[in-house]
Amino acid sequence: AQSVTQLGSHVSVSEGALVLLRCNYSSSVPPYLFWYVQYPNQGLQLLLKYTTGATLVKGINGFEAEFKKSETSFHLTKPSAHMSDAAEYFCAVSDLGRDKIIFGKGTRLHILP
Amino acid sequence: DTGVSQNPRHKITKRGQNVTFRCDPISEHNRLYWYRQTLGQGPEFLTYFQNEAQLEKSRLLSDRFSAERPKGSFSTLEIQRTEQGDSAMYLCASSPGQGRATEAFFGQGTRLTVV
Repeated sequence: AQSVTQLGSHVSVSEGALVLLRCNYSSSVPPYLFWYVQYPNQGLQLLLKYTTGATLVKGINGFEAEFKKSETSFHLTKPSAHMSDAAEYFCAVSDLGRDKIIFGKGTRLHILP
Repeated sequence: DTGVSQNPRHKITKRGQNVTFRCDPISEHNRLYWYRQTLGQGPEFLTYFQNEAQLEKSRLLSDRFSAERPKGSFSTLEIQRTEQGDSAMYLCASSPGQGRATEAFFGQGTRLTVV
Protein backbone atom coordinates (compact mmCIF):
# COMPACT_ATOMS: atom_id res chain seq x y z
CA ALA A 1 0.00 0.00 0.00
CA GLN A 2 1.21 3.47 -0.77
CA SER A 3 2.13 5.98 1.95
CA VAL A 4 3.71 9.40 2.33
CA THR A 5 6.01 10.84 4.99
CA GLN A 6 6.54 14.57 5.25
CA LEU A 7 9.52 15.54 7.36
CA GLY A 8 8.84 18.52 9.58
CA SER A 9 5.34 19.55 10.56
CA HIS A 10 6.49 23.20 10.65
CA VAL A 11 9.14 24.91 8.54
CA SER A 12 10.17 28.55 8.89
CA VAL A 13 12.16 30.45 6.30
CA SER A 14 12.99 34.11 5.83
CA GLU A 15 11.40 36.03 3.00
CA GLY A 16 13.64 35.67 -0.05
CA ALA A 17 15.28 32.48 1.20
CA LEU A 18 15.10 29.01 -0.33
CA VAL A 19 12.06 26.92 0.50
CA LEU A 20 12.58 23.15 0.86
CA LEU A 21 9.76 20.90 1.98
CA ARG A 22 10.58 17.21 2.21
CA CYS A 23 8.44 14.29 1.09
CA ASN A 24 9.27 10.59 0.96
CA TYR A 25 6.87 8.03 -0.40
CA SER A 26 6.34 4.31 -0.35
CA SER A 27 4.76 2.60 -3.32
CA SER A 28 4.88 -0.90 -4.72
CA VAL A 29 4.53 0.32 -8.30
CA PRO A 30 5.62 3.49 -10.12
CA PRO A 31 3.88 6.31 -8.29
CA TYR A 32 1.99 9.36 -9.33
CA LEU A 33 3.06 12.15 -6.97
CA PHE A 34 1.40 15.42 -6.08
CA TRP A 35 1.93 18.55 -4.00
CA TYR A 36 -1.11 20.47 -2.81
CA VAL A 37 -1.32 23.78 -0.95
CA GLN A 38 -4.02 24.80 1.49
CA TYR A 39 -4.46 28.40 2.58
CA PRO A 40 -6.41 29.13 5.78
CA ASN A 41 -10.11 28.32 5.48
CA GLN A 42 -9.71 27.28 1.86
CA GLY A 43 -9.77 24.03 -0.06
CA LEU A 44 -6.74 22.18 -1.39
CA GLN A 45 -5.18 23.45 -4.60
CA LEU A 46 -2.82 21.47 -6.80
CA LEU A 47 0.68 22.96 -6.98
CA LEU A 48 2.27 20.38 -9.26
CA LYS A 49 2.28 16.70 -10.17
CA TYR A 50 4.55 13.97 -11.46
CA THR A 51 3.08 11.15 -13.51
CA THR A 52 5.62 10.01 -16.09
CA GLY A 53 8.44 11.54 -18.10
CA ALA A 54 10.66 14.39 -16.91
CA THR A 55 11.53 13.98 -13.25
CA LEU A 56 11.78 17.72 -12.55
CA VAL A 57 8.33 19.21 -12.61
CA LYS A 58 7.39 22.86 -12.38
CA GLY A 59 4.22 24.11 -10.81
CA ILE A 60 2.40 27.29 -10.02
CA ASN A 61 3.79 30.21 -8.01
CA GLY A 62 7.40 29.34 -8.80
CA PHE A 63 7.43 25.95 -7.05
CA GLU A 64 9.10 22.86 -8.46
CA ALA A 65 9.75 19.31 -7.32
CA GLU A 66 12.05 16.51 -8.41
CA PHE A 67 11.11 12.84 -8.45
CA LYS A 68 14.06 10.74 -7.29
CA LYS A 69 13.24 7.07 -7.56
CA SER A 70 16.47 5.91 -5.89
CA GLU A 71 15.68 8.02 -2.83
CA THR A 72 11.88 7.55 -3.00
CA SER A 73 11.62 11.31 -2.60
CA PHE A 74 9.64 14.16 -4.11
CA HIS A 75 10.86 17.28 -2.32
CA LEU A 76 9.26 20.65 -3.03
CA THR A 77 11.43 23.73 -3.57
CA LYS A 78 11.15 27.41 -4.38
CA PRO A 79 14.24 29.59 -4.87
CA SER A 80 12.89 32.66 -3.09
CA ALA A 81 10.13 32.64 -0.50
CA HIS A 82 7.38 35.23 -0.53
CA MET A 83 5.10 36.18 2.34
CA SER A 84 2.14 34.88 0.33
CA ASP A 85 3.66 31.36 0.39
CA ALA A 86 2.69 30.95 4.04
CA ALA A 87 0.28 28.00 4.01
CA GLU A 88 -0.03 24.26 4.65
CA TYR A 89 1.55 21.99 2.05
CA PHE A 90 0.60 18.38 1.46
CA CYS A 91 2.44 15.71 -0.48
CA ALA A 92 0.33 12.90 -1.93
CA VAL A 93 0.86 9.62 -3.79
CA SER A 94 -1.19 7.30 -5.95
CA ASP A 95 -0.06 3.91 -7.25
CA LEU A 96 0.28 4.53 -11.00
CA GLY A 97 -2.75 6.77 -10.71
CA ARG A 98 -4.99 3.73 -10.64
CA ASP A 99 -5.49 3.67 -6.92
CA LYS A 100 -6.68 6.12 -4.32
CA ILE A 101 -4.65 9.24 -3.54
CA ILE A 102 -3.02 9.15 -0.11
CA PHE A 103 -1.86 12.34 1.62
CA GLY A 104 0.89 13.08 4.07
CA LYS A 105 0.23 14.87 7.35
CA GLY A 106 1.32 18.20 5.93
CA THR A 107 3.97 20.83 6.55
CA ARG A 108 3.03 24.32 7.66
CA LEU A 109 5.32 26.87 6.04
CA HIS A 110 5.98 30.08 7.96
CA ILE A 111 7.62 33.04 6.22
CA LEU A 112 9.65 35.36 8.43
CA PRO A 113 9.93 39.04 7.43
CA ASP B 1 -17.97 24.63 -14.73
CA THR B 2 -17.63 25.97 -11.21
CA GLY B 3 -15.62 23.11 -9.74
CA VAL B 4 -16.47 20.62 -7.02
CA SER B 5 -19.41 21.77 -4.93
CA GLN B 6 -20.13 20.59 -1.39
CA ASN B 7 -23.23 21.24 0.68
CA PRO B 8 -23.73 22.29 3.33
CA ARG B 9 -20.55 24.22 4.10
CA HIS B 10 -21.16 24.00 7.82
CA LYS B 11 -23.22 21.62 9.92
CA ILE B 12 -23.75 21.64 13.66
CA THR B 13 -25.57 18.64 15.05
CA LYS B 14 -26.29 17.05 18.38
CA ARG B 15 -24.62 13.82 19.30
CA GLY B 16 -26.66 10.87 18.17
CA GLN B 17 -28.26 12.60 15.21
CA ASN B 18 -27.78 11.56 11.60
CA VAL B 19 -26.25 13.89 9.04
CA THR B 20 -25.90 13.75 5.27
CA PHE B 21 -23.49 15.68 3.09
CA ARG B 22 -23.66 16.14 -0.65
CA CYS B 23 -20.90 16.47 -3.20
CA ASP B 24 -21.34 17.50 -6.83
CA PRO B 25 -18.16 16.70 -8.77
CA ILE B 26 -16.88 18.44 -11.83
CA SER B 27 -18.98 17.43 -14.79
CA GLU B 28 -17.82 14.21 -16.49
CA HIS B 29 -15.29 13.37 -13.79
CA ASN B 30 -15.46 9.63 -13.31
CA ARG B 31 -13.65 9.34 -9.99
CA LEU B 32 -14.92 10.80 -6.72
CA TYR B 33 -13.19 10.75 -3.35
CA TRP B 34 -14.21 11.46 0.22
CA TYR B 35 -11.64 12.51 2.80
CA ARG B 36 -11.78 13.65 6.41
CA GLN B 37 -9.45 16.33 7.75
CA THR B 38 -8.98 17.29 11.36
CA LEU B 39 -7.08 20.31 12.63
CA GLY B 40 -3.40 20.13 11.83
CA GLN B 41 -3.66 16.88 9.91
CA GLY B 42 -3.63 15.88 6.27
CA PRO B 43 -6.73 14.60 4.49
CA GLU B 44 -7.48 11.03 5.58
CA PHE B 45 -8.86 8.81 2.86
CA LEU B 46 -12.38 7.52 3.55
CA THR B 47 -13.70 6.05 0.32
CA TYR B 48 -13.76 6.50 -3.43
CA PHE B 49 -15.91 5.76 -6.44
CA GLN B 50 -15.21 5.03 -10.06
CA ASN B 51 -18.45 6.10 -11.70
CA GLU B 52 -21.16 4.54 -9.50
CA ALA B 53 -18.97 1.73 -8.17
CA GLN B 54 -17.52 2.15 -4.69
CA LEU B 55 -14.01 0.75 -5.09
CA GLU B 56 -12.64 0.96 -1.57
CA LYS B 57 -13.57 1.95 1.96
CA SER B 58 -11.02 2.86 4.57
CA ARG B 59 -10.89 1.00 7.86
CA LEU B 60 -11.46 4.45 9.36
CA LEU B 61 -14.99 4.27 7.99
CA SER B 62 -17.08 2.57 10.64
CA ASP B 63 -20.47 1.03 10.00
CA ARG B 64 -22.03 4.35 10.93
CA PHE B 65 -20.67 5.86 7.73
CA SER B 66 -22.12 5.17 4.32
CA ALA B 67 -21.49 6.75 0.95
CA GLU B 68 -23.36 6.48 -2.31
CA ARG B 69 -22.96 7.75 -5.81
CA PRO B 70 -26.13 6.90 -7.70
CA LYS B 71 -25.84 7.10 -11.48
CA GLY B 72 -22.21 8.09 -11.15
CA SER B 73 -22.96 11.77 -10.69
CA PHE B 74 -23.30 13.44 -7.27
CA SER B 75 -22.39 11.61 -4.08
CA THR B 76 -23.70 11.62 -0.54
CA LEU B 77 -21.92 10.77 2.69
CA GLU B 78 -24.14 9.88 5.62
CA ILE B 79 -23.06 9.57 9.22
CA GLN B 80 -25.50 7.86 11.54
CA ARG B 81 -25.60 8.33 15.33
CA THR B 82 -22.93 11.02 15.24
CA GLU B 83 -20.26 11.14 17.93
CA GLN B 84 -18.09 14.04 19.04
CA GLY B 85 -15.12 12.35 17.42
CA ASP B 86 -16.82 12.77 14.06
CA SER B 87 -16.25 16.53 14.24
CA ALA B 88 -14.01 17.35 11.30
CA MET B 89 -13.87 18.83 7.82
CA TYR B 90 -15.22 16.41 5.22
CA LEU B 91 -13.65 16.94 1.83
CA CYS B 92 -14.84 15.74 -1.53
CA ALA B 93 -12.66 15.59 -4.62
CA SER B 94 -13.10 14.42 -8.19
CA SER B 95 -10.74 13.50 -10.99
CA PRO B 96 -11.13 12.84 -14.67
CA GLY B 97 -10.31 9.69 -16.60
CA GLN B 98 -11.47 6.14 -16.53
CA GLY B 99 -8.36 4.54 -15.21
CA ARG B 100 -5.81 6.93 -13.86
CA ALA B 101 -6.18 9.81 -11.44
CA THR B 102 -3.90 12.43 -12.87
CA GLU B 103 -5.01 14.87 -10.18
CA ALA B 104 -7.86 15.44 -7.77
CA PHE B 105 -9.87 18.66 -7.66
CA PHE B 106 -11.17 19.49 -4.21
CA GLY B 107 -14.29 21.19 -2.98
CA GLN B 108 -14.36 23.67 -0.11
CA GLY B 109 -15.44 20.99 2.32
CA THR B 110 -18.22 20.56 4.86
CA ARG B 111 -17.27 21.37 8.43
CA LEU B 112 -19.13 19.15 10.89
CA THR B 113 -19.38 20.04 14.56
CA VAL B 114 -20.99 17.50 16.87
CA VAL B 115 -22.10 18.97 20.20
